[in-house]
Amino acid sequence: EAQVTQNPRYLITVTGKKLTVTCSQNMNHEYMSWYRQDPGLGLRQIYYSMNVEVTDKGDVPEGYKVSRKEKRNFPLILESPSPNQTSLYFCASKPYMGGDETQYFGPGTRLLVL
Amino acid sequence: GEDVEQSLFLSVREGDSSVINCTYTDSSSTYLYWYKQEPGAGLQLLTYIFSNMDMKQDQRLTVLLNKKDKHLSLRIADTQTGDSAIYFCAESIGGGADGLTFGKGTHLIIQP
Repeated sequence: EAQVTQNPRYLITVTGKKLTVTCSQNMNHEYMSWYRQDPGLGLRQIYYSMNVEVTDKGDVPEGYKVSRKEKRNFPLILESPSPNQTSLYFCASKPYMGGDETQYFGPGTRLLVL
Repeated sequence: GEDVEQSLFLSVREGDSSVINCTYTDSSSTYLYWYKQEPGAGLQLLTYIFSNMDMKQDQRLTVLLNKKDKHLSLRIADTQTGDSAIYFCAESIGGGADGLTFGKGTHLIIQP
């Protein structure tokens, strides 16, 4: 089954404790991205990756890092989480940058930073 | 710049039609999307329309696009309790970050 998976689905942590949210897709997609969803703000793009070893900032990249060492994986790293990063995070992928295809979204990771 | 606007809430009676409206500012949008998010769930693509189309129908869903006014609507016929969710309008312009720009979402509330 074609899908985007994220882990963990729920996470509670404390300020400053480094964490990683994993994202994996099994569709051989080149393009992957991370969004955060906050009440009243909709979804905003954090980072995206056009292909392996190619990443760039989205609209709200501060406080986040990403890596793309393999095509299928695109982890989101919070080196020193803060309470304002409490949010619902979605990973998404599509075949390649540009083009007409819609993005496939993962199920979301709900993060609470105390 | 890109901006997508939606009303935050819409309340309809079960069985009536729901019309969720969206306006966008970027005239270079190539695709416009409607996503559905049920409580505690991820985003589900409902439908999309290419910018050179005026209308798209898919079972109970009808999408209307007025490119001149940059207005997009989603009509759900015979609204059911299972349609209760948040509906996001999103646009894609390609290039750059190639991400989707989302509206803030419309909560659809179904009254019995």
